[in-house]
Amino acid sequence: DAGVTQSPTHLIKTRGQHVTLRCSPISGHKSVSWYQQVLGQGPQFIFQYYEKEERGRGNFPDRFSARQFPNYSSELNVNALLLGDSALYLCASSLDGGLGEKLFFGSGTQLSVL
Amino acid sequence: RKEVEQDPGPFNVPEGATVAFNCTYSNSASQSFFWYRQDCRKEPKLLMSVYSSGNEDGRFTAQLNRASQYISLLIRDSKLSDSATYLCAFSGGYQKVTFGTGTKLQVIP
Repeated sequence: DAGVTQSPTHLIKTRGQHVTLRCSPISGHKSVSWYQQVLGQGPQFIFQYYEKEERGRGNFPDRFSARQFPNYSSELNVNALLLGDSALYLCASSLDGGLGEKLFFGSGTQLSVL
Repeated sequence: RKEVEQDPGPFNVPEGATVAFNCTYSNSASQSFFWYRQDCRKEPKLLMSVYSSGNEDGRFTAQLNRASQYISLLIRDSKLSDSATYLCAFSGGYQKVTFGTGTKLQVIP
């Protein structure tokens, strides 16, 4: 079975542009979460979606938005990119996002903002 | 106080050594605890959940101390392949999982 897939794997953008990152969860998983990992830091929670509804949001500005589709895939959008948005963006899926449930991560999208 | 605190290391240990990492958390409402392993430029992968009674998986032992609000990971008989960054993580509800900054382990031949 395929694991969590993310696209693209690498992306280079310039300040002010916007970006869309995509994630397909493991088959049967209905919950998707997004994390940002800056070099030398642990992943930081951005969003969690379950059954197309936002279930949680981390401490990120409104430039960050996301959505989940009927097939449970998800997109993360970032507008007005800043240099500080350069990071590894990780998508994680789980069955239903319940407490204590294991997260399965995709290999991430490495975003560089110049 | 930070939500999660981990010693970033690096911990340089010889093959066969025993090494232990601690991770402290500030949110007493935390209910689920985990250790993840992350190889360089790769995604984190769940190593083990941490249960109140402590749990073991082969050479790896995890402990939870709720009173002092920390979790620990013990690795016995270290292998070269154990070289990685170890992230502690906890969750207080749904799936806002909070991660530490990670502890880098380098096992030396």
